[in-house]
Amino acid sequence: DIQMTQSPSTLSASVGDRVTITCRASQSISSWLAWYQQKPGKAPKLLIYKASSLQSGVPSRFSGSGSGTEFTLTISSLQPDDFATYYCQQYNSYWTFGQGTKVEIK
Amino acid sequence: EVQLVESGGGLVQPGGSLRLSCAASGFTFSSYEMNWVRQAPGKGLEWVSYISSSGSTIYYADSLKGRFTISRDNAKNSLYLQMNSLRAEDTAVYYCAREMATVDDAFDIWGQGTMVTVSS
Repeated sequence: DIQMTQSPSTLSASVGDRVTITCRASQSISSWLAWYQQKPGKAPKLLIYKASSLQSGVPSRFSGSGSGTEFTLTISSLQPDDFATYYCQQYNSYWTFGQGTKVEIK
Repeated sequence: EVQLVESGGGLVQPGGSLRLSCAASGFTFSSYEMNWVRQAPGKGLEWVSYISSSGSTIYYADSLKGRFTISRDNAKNSLYLQMNSLRAEDTAVYYCAREMATVDDAFDIWGQGTMVTVSS
């Protein structure tokens, strides 16, 4: 099974900050990686697929990069609506999620 | 509007059974691969099961050990999850999720979720 490890688990930031979340796979997954945003009591929302492709309707301040085993999600300028939990997901072999990164207000 | 709506959750005793449903609308359901994902209270997301557009290919997470069965009825635009021999650790919100229409297998549409509580 492919394991996904996100860091950090919690991130404290202010509006306007540049935020980076890292996701590492236990083996190479090429670019088969997605990022989701989840707010309390809501379903996850797809932000990025194929490591760096922005889902339709998602603001351009979100970007993804990486390939193989190391990936990053970057929010270029954190907005009030961005405080949420973020998950990476590999879909190279079945599907596995990272444990999540909570972005909270500093 | 593209939409997935789950139903069928509730309180069930350990060892009991429950059948979840997911009603799809706003898109050609029979053309899409579908999945179930669950989230225990305060925990992360866990993939549960996959079914191909025709229903001919099915996968399950190893942790389920044959207790769950995924199915679909394309004529009714519906996805199902039959859950048997339920345990306390199956307590979670269960989401149905649509895979993208492209070669990517990310989940682009999610339902609102249905809560399953396994407790005596």
